[in-house]
Amino acid sequence: DAGVIQSPRHEVTEMGQEVTLRCKPISGHDYLFWYRQTMMRGLELLIYFNNNVPIDDSGMPEDRFSAKMPNASFSTLKIQPSEPRDSAVYFCASSYSGSNREQFFGPGTRLTVL
Amino acid sequence: KNQVEQSPQSLIILEGKNCTLQCNYTVSPFSNLRWYKQDTGRGPVSLTIMTFSENTKSNGRYTATLDADTKQSSLHITASQLSDSASYICVPREDSSYKLIFGSGTRLLVRP
Repeated sequence: DAGVIQSPRHEVTEMGQEVTLRCKPISGHDYLFWYRQTMMRGLELLIYFNNNVPIDDSGMPEDRFSAKMPNASFSTLKIQPSEPRDSAVYFCASSYSGSNREQFFGPGTRLTVL
Repeated sequence: KNQVEQSPQSLIILEGKNCTLQCNYTVSPFSNLRWYKQDTGRGPVSLTIMTFSENTKSNGRYTATLDADTKQSSLHITASQLSDSASYICVPREDSSYKLIFGSGTRLLVRP
């Protein structure tokens, strides 16, 4: 099993540019989560999906952030326009509702906005 | 408001020594609690999961304890190795919720 796959692993962009982060969950998992990790705030849940449907997006910081899950094997997190304060590591995680709900994390995308 | 507090924030120990990390939480209603290990540059990985009825659970050199009455958990690492250097995050889960509440973590450095 390849685990959760995220791309790119590193992204450097300039303020105002659009950034798209990608995630492929573990096959068969029906929950997908997007997190952001910073030194100051630790790990924060941004949004999660169940069967491709967004369930809770209360953690999305503002309208510049959007997430989609067009099918069971792919999700995107988009930031438009990006700002320096968006610099962080963004993790995608997936889980299966039939298990003990363990979330398996991807390797993360380190985003730097200049 | 659900909160998680971990101590110490950081810890340095010599290889081969033991250490204990602490976690206090206020999550209610409580479902289970996991300890995650996060290596630098990687995503968190679950070490142990404990439910309400469990007091102790071991995973190799890692032993977690849980006191659901006082809402406290600990992670004990025995005979530390250099590869134990990582952040350890306490994550209690609210019953019937898929949302996890992450502690700020303890950064452990094991020196030779």
